[in-house]
Amino acid sequence: AQKVTQAQTEISVVEKEDVTLDCVYETRDTTYYLFWYKQPPSGELVFLIRRNSFDEQNEISGRYSWNFQKSTSSFNFTITASQVVDSAVYFCALSEAGAAGNKLTFGGGTRVLVKP
Amino acid sequence: KAGVTQTPRYLIKTRGQQVTLSCSPISGHRSVSWYQQTPGQGLQFLFEYFSETQRNKGNFPGRFSGRQFSNSRSEMNVSTLELGDSALYLCASSPRAGAVSVNSPLHFGNGTRLTVT
Repeated sequence: AQKVTQAQTEISVVEKEDVTLDCVYETRDTTYYLFWYKQPPSGELVFLIRRNSFDEQNEISGRYSWNFQKSTSSFNFTITASQVVDSAVYFCALSEAGAAGNKLTFGGGTRVLVKP
Repeated sequence: KAGVTQTPRYLIKTRGQQVTLSCSPISGHRSVSWYQQTPGQGLQFLFEYFSETQRNKGNFPGRFSGRQFSNSRSEMNVSTLELGDSALYLCASSPRAGAVSVNSPLHFGNGTRLTVT
């Protein structure tokens, strides 16, 4: 069965520092999708980034970047030059291509607190 | 384009009662999924509906059920409420069924916070 682990429960930084969130996953599928979602205090999950299992190219999108390594089953996420508005809970999620339906398996989440 | 709309935002119920939560997906989205979020268990998949048919179900007791209407709106029902059912219930929509892909990530609503006393 699939599993997603976010070892960091809470990270506190000062504004403008970089923040890296760790995510380790387990799956038996060879094709799968990885996501990062942000949950602000309002409650909704906001989609941030995604990666296919067959594309290990790491990218940067604005202040967000990610490091996907299949060899270590890791999908880490970095916020560069953090801002107070980045304070939220961040979730890493996995979807297996073989699974019926739109099912996401989430990690436990990492709470990020950015202090001014 | 309006986002995913969940009603009500907050709900307080007593043990043994039943509750119905509603979700209106983004216009044009035909797949609706439900998730339960609790401090202890985190985010867990409940079920997904597409074209009024349940496509997948998580590991929850039969007290949890749902349905989808022809306009893609979905309702989730929990019968014989228990204290442990207190949670944030999140609905998500997607243009299509099948595995979530890079082209159709799930879009979530603000959730319904259910408190069972």
